[in-house]
Amino acid sequence: DGGITQSPKYLFRKEGQNVTLSCEQNLNHDAMYWYRQDPGQGLRLIYYSQIVNDFQKGDIAEGYSVSREKKESFPLTVTSAQKNPTAFYLCASSIVGRGEQFFGPGTRLTVL
Amino acid sequence: QQQVKQSPQSLIVQKGGISIINCAYENTAFDYFPWYQQFPGKGPALLIAIRPDVSEKKEGRFTISFNKSAKQFSLHIMDSQPGDSATYFCAARTAGGTSYGKLTFGQGTILTVHP
Repeated sequence: DGGITQSPKYLFRKEGQNVTLSCEQNLNHDAMYWYRQDPGQGLRLIYYSQIVNDFQKGDIAEGYSVSREKKESFPLTVTSAQKNPTAFYLCASSIVGRGEQFFGPGTRLTVL
Repeated sequence: QQQVKQSPQSLIVQKGGISIINCAYENTAFDYFPWYQQFPGKGPALLIAIRPDVSEKKEGRFTISFNKSAKQFSLHIMDSQPGDSATYFCAARTAGGTSYGKLTFGQGTILTVHP
């Protein structure tokens, strides 16, 4: 089955630790995205990439970092500089120039 | 900086009723307006979408109405069912430049349909 996988589904970390969220897709999409979802705020774009080895900051990139070494993978690192990292994180992919983005099931990160 | 404003934040309708969710945007450089449906604990999925050269698009019980001059668009769910209970997001796609393809989402509407 083609789709997007995110792991883990739930993640708990202590304050001050960096943590990396995994996102893999087998849809052969060039574009990939990371969103953060908080109640009442919709989805806010963290980073996006339209091609391997290139990525752009979204609206709330501070405290986050990404890499795009392979077309299929777009991991997100939540660093200790992110002041309020507890949230639901969603990864998505799309064909460049096409409107529809396909979302993964999300990772719920809780920082204790 | 919120460029897409969505209302209401929550909506309760009875089974068989009509659910209406509204969105307004400011940026005229948007060229595609999708609606996403999200169930609890899941990622959003595309429900229906419209381009600005069309005033209305219907797919089954779901209809998008688009008013380009007013910079507003809305989702109508006819004959609402309990299975429609979910969070709905409107979005707008940036038309060009280095941000081409970027979606800006509204804040979301939690729809509850009572049996």
